[in-house]
Amino acid sequence: GQQLNQSPQSMFIQEGEDVSMNCTSSSIFNTWLWYKQDPGEGPVLLIALYKAGELTSNGRLTAQFGITRKDSFLNISASIPSDVGIYFCAGQLDSGGGADGLTFGKGTHLIIQP
Amino acid sequence: KAGVTQTPRYLIKTRGQQVTLSCSPISGHRSVSWYQQTPGQGLQFLFEYFSETQRNKGNFPGRFSGRQFSNSRSEMNVSTLELGDSALYLCASSLRPRGKPNWAYNEQFFGPGTRLTVL
Repeated sequence: GQQLNQSPQSMFIQEGEDVSMNCTSSSIFNTWLWYKQDPGEGPVLLIALYKAGELTSNGRLTAQFGITRKDSFLNISASIPSDVGIYFCAGQLDSGGGADGLTFGKGTHLIIQP
Repeated sequence: KAGVTQTPRYLIKTRGQQVTLSCSPISGHRSVSWYQQTPGQGLQFLFEYFSETQRNKGNFPGRFSGRQFSNSRSEMNVSTLELGDSALYLCASSLRPRGKPNWAYNEQFFGPGTRLTVL
C-alpha cells in the first residue's frame, strides 16, 4: 500500500536537545496526525492537523500541516527521557464521500542519551 | 473514560487455522478501523466499520474479514492463517458524530493491539 516518506529513520540525541522530524507524500491529505508508540503498546495520538498551513502545539510538541497538503513536520523541544519511542506521521484523505483509512510513515525511532 | 480495548493481547496459532480478534471502542465512538503492523511493512490499513457496515477496505486478501455489532464493538477474522500473518493487529476508534463533517472527527485512538504469532 501507499506509504509516507518519514525522516529521519532514527535519531540519537542528548537530553535537552530539540528534535525535528518530517513526512512527505506524493498525494495530498486533508488531515495529518502524529502518533507516538512505546514498545508493546498501540500508537498514542499526539497532535491532529486539519488545515493547510496550520501550526499546532501540545506542550513541548509543535506540528505543522504543510501548505501544499503533502507534508508535515513535528518538533519536540527540550527532549526528556520519556520522549523515547517511535513517532509516526499519518495522513488521511476525505474526498467528500467519507475518510479513507490512515496512511502511515515508517516511523522515526527517537533515542535519548542522558 | 476507558480507552480502546482489544482481546486477546497475545495469540499463537498454526498455519491453516483461523483466528478472531475482538475490539471494544471508546464509549460513544461509532467507527472502528483495523490495522496490521509488521516490521517490514509498517502500519497498514485493513478496513473500517461504521454503523455495522464495512465502509472502507485496504489492500488485503479476502482471508481478512471483519464485522461490527450494534454496540459498535468489532471483530476481525483471519482464515487459513499463513506465516506472514504474524503481526500486531491494532484497532482504532473514532467519534464520527451525526451531522458533523467527517474530516473534523477523524482522530483515531488506538488500542494496545493483539500480537498474533503464526507457527
